[in-house]
Amino acid sequence: KQEVTQIPAALSVPEGENLVLNCSFTDSAIYNLQWFRQDPGKGLTSLLLIQSSQREQTSGRLNASLDKSSGRSTLYIAASQPGDSATYLCALGTFGNEKLTFGTGTRLTIIP
Amino acid sequence: ETGVTQSPTHLIKTRGQQVTLRCSSQSGHNTVSWYQQALGQGPQFIFQYYREEENGRGNFPPRFSGLQFPNYSSELNVNALELDDSALYLCASSLDTGGSGVEQFFGPGTRLTVL
Repeated sequence: KQEVTQIPAALSVPEGENLVLNCSFTDSAIYNLQWFRQDPGKGLTSLLLIQSSQREQTSGRLNASLDKSSGRSTLYIAASQPGDSATYLCALGTFGNEKLTFGTGTRLTIIP
Repeated sequence: ETGVTQSPTHLIKTRGQQVTLRCSSQSGHNTVSWYQQALGQGPQFIFQYYREEENGRGNFPPRFSGLQFPNYSSELNVNALELDDSALYLCASSLDTGGSGVEQFFGPGTRLTVL
């Protein structure tokens, strides 16, 4: 059974800092990993999708990496802005299973 | 904007009632998945429909049921509502089933409150 952990549960950093969010998982037989952003009470916005054969993906100030052997993914946010404040969720698609398995998220607050 | 829409946005029901939530997938997407997200938790998989047939189910009782229609719309039905059913319900559409590694696109969700 795939288990996904995101630590820390909450993070506050001053505007302009670079930061890293962590996602760890127990089953390395994944076919992809997605990072999502969720604003309070809203749906999920897909940020980055990494296929199992890839090591990283980049979009603007965001960079996500995937290390299946260690069961870890990181989301790097450069030059953080107050608009980046949200909950960030990672989700994995695992072979033999049609669902995405989500972590509980990291609630990020960027302090102006 | 993902092109996935859900209705209604908010809904209040009382315990024991029945509810139907609706989702409109992106055009051409033959797969829809439904998730339940309780406050402070990550979304939990309810079930998936592929070409109008159920294609995988999470740990939810039979009173959670669904339908998928040829026009890219789908429904989630919940009977005999319980207080613990209060949550944000999300649908996600994709070009194919999860095993192919395709990206899933989520709608804005329906917030269900059971009193």
